Amino acid sequence: DAGVIQSPRHEVTEMGQEVTLRCKPISGHNSLFWYRQTMMRGLELLIYFNNNVPIDDSGMPEDRFSAKMPNASFSTLKIQPSEPRDSAVYFCASSWARGFTGELFFGEGSRLTVL
Amino acid sequence: AQKVTQAQTEISVVEKEDVTLDCVYETRDTTYYLFWYKQPPSGELVFLIRRNSFDEQNEISGRYSWNFQKSTSSFNFTITASQVVDSAVYFCALSELDRYNQGGKLIFGQGTELSVKP
Repeated sequence: DAGVIQSPRHEVTEMGQEVTLRCKPISGHNSLFWYRQTMMRGLELLIYFNNNVPIDDSGMPEDRFSAKMPNASFSTLKIQPSEPRDSAVYFCASSWARGFTGELFFGEGSRLTVL
Repeated sequence: AQKVTQAQTEISVVEKEDVTLDCVYETRDTTYYLFWYKQPPSGELVFLIRRNSFDEQNEISGRYSWNFQKSTSSFNFTITASQVVDSAVYFCALSELDRYNQGGKLIFGQGTELSVKP
């Protein structure tokens, strides 16, 4: 079975450019999570959805970040405009249960470098 | 506020040694879940175990074992007879009920980097 699929795996862009990260969760999972990993801050939850509805976006850094889940099989995380401090690995994860009760399955991550 | 502390930033052992990774958590809730994840050098996060707050039984899975003690708010992870392939960053995580009392976000500790040398 396919796991969580993220694209692109690597993205290098210049400050001020728009970045869009994509995620396809595991079929049948009803919760989707976006995490960011940096050396300084570790793994931070940015936002999570349940049944395509955003439940908690308190971790989204600022208005430059936005996330959507138009259907059960696709989500995007957009940064506009990007800044060097956004450089990180962004993970998408999905789960079969609402919120925390289930195991999270993580994608391989999207490594973003903003110059 | 909920918090997970992994005080050991890095641990280095020689193959076949036993090693324990510490995890201490803080939460106001009586219902919560604790997790351990492994992040090998390839970067993906791999689920190892989930434990709910009402189950304090220790668990053993092969060379891995977990010791959950509510009295000390700890959920420690022991690898017996470590192997080079165990080298990775290990994260402890905590999840609580959200405001709808159904689910919540996963809060990760800072991780412990384990290096097992041959």
